[in-house]
Amino acid sequence: DSGVTQTPKHLITATGQRVTLRCSPRSGDLSVYWYQQSLDQGLQFLIQYYNGEERAKGNILERFSAQQFPDLHSELNLSSLELGDSALYFCASSVAGGRVQETQYFGPGTRLLVL
Amino acid sequence: LAKTTQPISMDSYEGQEVNITCSHNNIATNDYITWYQQFPSQGPRFIIQGYKTKVTNEVASLFIPADRKSSTLSLPRVSLSDTAVYYCLVGYPYNQGGKLIFGQGTELSVKP
Repeated sequence: DSGVTQTPKHLITATGQRVTLRCSPRSGDLSVYWYQQSLDQGLQFLIQYYNGEERAKGNILERFSAQQFPDLHSELNLSSLELGDSALYFCASSVAGGRVQETQYFGPGTRLLVL
Repeated sequence: LAKTTQPISMDSYEGQEVNITCSHNNIATNDYITWYQQFPSQGPRFIIQGYKTKVTNEVASLFIPADRKSSTLSLPRVSLSDTAVYYCLVGYPYNQGGKLIFGQGTELSVKP
């Protein structure tokens, strides 16, 4: 158990809908990262937040957005969903948010299926 | 263009040493190279991290040459429980996207 929690575990929805994925980092960690894992694209970095502020951006679509709240939990919002958004979404956390990599602790993931 | 490349799969037998190499041209000069292990239906788990030369911990070694264009994860004496997918994670400079890029993963299969 990494100490990172993600809810829900599974999510089934329809095209065009909007969903919110939630992540609680390990106690004391200030950075949260979001990743998408699909069979054809592998593990893709989406975005990183550090202490409430956006720190780095990866391949995140404009239909997706994220935020980190004062209690440090984070939410990833996916809107206008398409079939291709079906994937595993992982959240990870690390102690700080420096310019260099830190050890990231990954949650169990949310499996999203868009029908 | 920033790209992180690994072999797609490798086979080994119990007790052998396994070396998995990741190629990563033009990585950020001040960033680390990190390796993760992933089992089915689980999130990746940290194995080892290094900047240059050699790093060793209780489960693996990481070799990084001076030019830092590649790195090699070494797993000594693998067992069946080491069957998993192994990923390298590298950071790239801001003028190349400034982001974290995982390799496509190496599926290691350990046989008895």
